[in-house]
Amino acid sequence: QQQVKQSPQSLIVQKGGISIINCAYENTAFDYFPWYQQFPGKGPALLIAIRPDVSEKKEGRFTISFNKSAKQFSLHIMDSQPGDSATYFCAASIDQAGTALIFGKGTTLSVSS
Amino acid sequence: GAVVSQHPSRVICKSGTSVKIECRSLDFQATTMFWYRQFPKQSLMLMATSNEGSKATYEQGVEKDKFLINHASLTLSTLTVTSAHPEDSSFYICSASGREGYQETQYFGPGTRLLVL
Repeated sequence: QQQVKQSPQSLIVQKGGISIINCAYENTAFDYFPWYQQFPGKGPALLIAIRPDVSEKKEGRFTISFNKSAKQFSLHIMDSQPGDSATYFCAASIDQAGTALIFGKGTTLSVSS
Repeated sequence: GAVVSQHPSRVICKSGTSVKIECRSLDFQATTMFWYRQFPKQSLMLMATSNEGSKATYEQGVEKDKFLINHASLTLSTLTVTSAHPEDSSFYICSASGREGYQETQYFGPGTRLLVL
């Protein structure tokens, strides 16, 4: 499996601050890049996703920035809240839904109140 | 949005027994379902890809005779852990490919916590 590298491993942000998580990929055939949020003991939930033909996508407080030439993409959480404290996984796949997702190792976000 | 359920949510079994985990897409048909395994504080690792009506495709290193997958219908896939051992204890998560409006993506189940004593 081609690797998706995610950083940082853990992140502590103050309430109201911006949380930034970065991912890099190797396989240029990837064309779908979702971010998932996972709470302890629960399955991952799709947060936001982007395709390579777009450089940025925003949904509420969550923004994905995509740099195709650098093969990097990042998640920005604006106005971070304690309820955002969770583990975040970036992922990539060749086909949006038909092939398996390759996951990053995850980032544990803690938002202090 | 699309909902995927798993049953049971947690199971404790004795070493040597078999455990079946069900994954259902509740409001959509899923031609493809995926099974992942997640150890504590680690990422999700793909075990196998399951297509309705055909044999599952297993990832390298995953024993197909130990982890039996059946995708009998467009809404149900099952994972059976045969002759379970303590090292099989893990969090098993399924996902299903589905369409919500114009977007097709993978939807994950809530996971099944397996503990083998």
